[in-house]
Amino acid sequence: SYDLTQPPSVSVSPGQTASITCFGDKLGDKFACWYQQKPGQSPVLVIYEDNKRPSGIPERFSGSNSGNTATLTIRGTQAMDEADYYCQAWDSNTVVFGGGTKLTVL
Amino acid sequence: QVQLVQSKVEVKRPGASVKVSCEASGYRFTSYGITWVRQAPGQGLEWMGWISAYNDDTNYAQRLQGRLTMTTDTSTSTAYMELRSLRSDDTAVYYCARVSSSTSEFDYWGQGTLVTVSS
Repeated sequence: SYDLTQPPSVSVSPGQTASITCFGDKLGDKFACWYQQKPGQSPVLVIYEDNKRPSGIPERFSGSNSGNTATLTIRGTQAMDEADYYCQAWDSNTVVFGGGTKLTVL
Repeated sequence: QVQLVQSKVEVKRPGASVKVSCEASGYRFTSYGITWVRQAPGQGLEWMGWISAYNDDTNYAQRLQGRLTMTTDTSTSTAYMELRSLRSDDTAVYYCARVSSSTSEFDYWGQGTLVTVSS
């Protein structure tokens, strides 16, 4: 089965840049997307097709995907960005989620 | 605006079945698929499967095959997820989400339905 691996946690200071990685075999050959989930809330799509932002998602969120790694980057991180982040891709007509990364802004 | 509204909390005994509904509004229901994702307490997201609201084609996660059925009712723009032979490790929040027609990301999510399996 296909696996996506994320770091369990990332910490960032307010105003700095946070990078969350997602590793999968030849992930760059697939489209990756990212979801943000705050405690007690449903996930929200923040990046799709590797690097596109849905309407309403701030410009400080960006994405890239190449080789075996997709990366979610948050520039000028704000306290409101503290959340769990999940990468996701399709493989052989099934969906795979990464294990999630808890982003702490401190 | 696009909305997915799910049914309320369920409490079930081990061995029972649960059927969760997901009523869609704000878009043409048959133009998109619906996926189901669950999240056990304190855990990550687990994909359960997908159904086309256009022709009812389905694709289920292998580990749930045989216990899971997804259906739609186009007359009410509602999707359903039924899970049978419930076990305690099926305790989770169950989410429905719309599958984008472009590259199949999940662009709108329901509010989630807590299903508790306990004797």
